[in-house]
Order: sequence, then C-alpha cells, then structure tokens
Amino acid sequence: DIVMTQSPDSLAVSLGERATINCNSRQSVLYSVNNKNYLAWYQQKPGQSPKLLIYWASRRESGVPDRFSGSGTGTDFTLTISSLQAEDVAVYYCQQYYSTPPTFGGGTKVEIK
Amino acid sequence: QVQLVESGGGVVQPGRSLRLSCAASGFSFSNHALHWVRQAPGKGLEWVAVISYDGTNKNYRDSLKDRFTISRDNSRNTLYLQMDSLRAEDTALYYCVTVPGGSSESYYPFDHWGQGTLVTVSS
Repeated sequence: DIVMTQSPDSLAVSLGERATINCNSRQSVLYSVNNKNYLAWYQQKPGQSPKLLIYWASRRESGVPDRFSGSGTGTDFTLTISSLQAEDVAVYYCQQYYSTPPTFGGGTKVEIK
Repeated sequence: QVQLVESGGGVVQPGRSLRLSCAASGFSFSNHALHWVRQAPGKGLEWVAVISYDGTNKNYRDSLKDRFTISRDNSRNTLYLQMDSLRAEDTALYYCVTVPGGSSESYYPFDHWGQGTLVTVSS
C-alpha cells in the first residue's frame, strides 16, 4: 500500500492569509505514460461528507473557488488556499489513486487564527 | 445532479451481520465503478471496497476481504455492502462514493460522496 503523510496535522491561519498543506507519498504517484499525478485533495467541513477539490494534483473540480490550488509531482504535493475564508474551515485530505488500495493522508485541520 | 443515499446502518452486536445499501440517481449508474469508504468517529478516511461498473470485478481492503462483500444491482441503481462477523473496530460512518470511470482499479478520484450511514458495533 502507498502510505500518504500529511503535514501539519493542524494549522491556524488569519482570514485572508495563505494556508499551505503538504502531502508526501512513500512512492511516486506519477504515471510516466501519461505524465499525470494520481493525487487528489478533499475538503471535509464539520458534519459533512468529503468533497473533491483537486484531482490530477493540480486540476480544480468544477465549482471550486480559484483560491484553492494544488501543486507538486512524484511524491511531494501541496494544497494552497491563497486567501483563507471563514467557510474554508475544514479538514483536508490528500489521496492517491495510482494503485489499489487507494489511500488517504491522515488529514490536516484548518482553523481561523 | 448526482445523489447517493446510504441506508442500513444502526447498532449491532459484535459477531452479527449488517447490510448497507446505497441508492443512486442523477447519473448513468451502470457505467461507473463504486466504492465504500468509512470513517471511524473523529478519525480519518479509510477505503473499504470497490466494484466495477458491471459487478464482475471487486477489490477489498486486505483486512476486510474475509468478512465484507460488495455487490450491486444495476437494475435498481443500488450498491450494497454485506458486513459479517462485525467487530467494535468496524464502528464508523460508511460512505458510498462514485468515480468517473468503470474499472475496479484505482485510476480515478472520488468525485461524489453520499452523506453516509453510521454503523455502531457494541454489546
């Protein structure tokens, strides 16, 4: 199984400031044939089910605000919220879908400072 | 729009069985692979099982393959999870999840999630 590690476990950011979440996979999730990273980010707000934000490491799902962006390749990835809004308070998970079983990071809780 | 409505959860004693259902609508059900993902109270996300679009291929979390069975009925647009010999550690919210493709292999992000059904295993 591909182990996914997120950091930090939690962070508190002031409204309008940048939030950065890191995700590391123990092995590469870049498929050389199509040059795609099989890496997604999900947002889970309190009391809600997870929601897909980013897939292929950097492609925003339809309807996701452009303050959310994903970057990275191979084994190291980042989710950035460029200007934190109150509605962004949530736990964020990365996930690899490169191989079965798909695996998730442990989650990063984002709060308002 | 895509709707996934899980049901069948509840409180069950250790060693007993439970069958979860997920009623789907708003998309071409028989063209998509489907997954179950669970989340223990206050914990992270854990993949459980997947079934291909036509039900012929299935994959399971290694630790669950002897006790859990995933199935689907494309005529009823419904996904199932049969859970046998339940243990306390199976206590979780179980989500039904769609992906954009039909294969039971990974290769797709999880694009739609239901609201989940809570399973509590306790004596």
